[in-house]
Amino acid sequence: GDSVTQMEGPVTLSEEAFLTINCTYTATGYPSLFWYVQYPGEGLQLLLKATKADDKGSNKGFEATYRKETTSFHLEKGSVQVSDSAVYFCALSEDSNYQLIWGAGTKLIIKP
Amino acid sequence: DTAVSQTPKYLVTQMGNDKSIKCEQNLGHDTMYWYKQDSKKFLKIMFSYNNKELIINETVPNRFSPKSPDKAHLNLHINSLELGDSAVYFCASRQTGTSEQYFGPGTRLTVT
Repeated sequence: GDSVTQMEGPVTLSEEAFLTINCTYTATGYPSLFWYVQYPGEGLQLLLKATKADDKGSNKGFEATYRKETTSFHLEKGSVQVSDSAVYFCALSEDSNYQLIWGAGTKLIIKP
Repeated sequence: DTAVSQTPKYLVTQMGNDKSIKCEQNLGHDTMYWYKQDSKKFLKIMFSYNNKELIINETVPNRFSPKSPDKAHLNLHINSLELGDSAVYFCASRQTGTSEQYFGPGTRLTVT
């Protein structure tokens, strides 16, 4: 079945560092890909998405490119802030049923 | 104008008790979910309803019983609470034909 694998956390960085959180997937079809963010004490919220190969999703300085050849959707940000500290979830959805398949989440800690 | 709301936000109770969590969405969506998030932040889908009809029922003890009085509400009743039920429970909703889910703020359940 479909699955999503994320790099294990926590990921600890200093402010203004470059961020990469790896996400790879397995799917039978051509899924849509998502990154959700969960700030401390809150629910998940959509950060960005991409619906087809080579699409780039971006929001709040974060980017991720849908790479079909490597089945990846890595999350990047050029300069992180303390306020980016959160748990980040990668997810996929097949158009056949629109259900989200979730990665395990990666906790990001940014130190001032 | 909260999109997905849950009550209560915190719930502390003793083993063996019965409790309910309520969820309401004002987005006009017709599909709603209950998720359980454990202490390691892993998200597990429990139930999904579409227009008041149960469409996903994962392997969840039958002490958990969802109820959807209308498509804007999805409640979760838990009988005979156990220590292992301690977690954060999230409600989410989406519109048919789309994958993006909108999450409530979560209910932190602590069973002592």
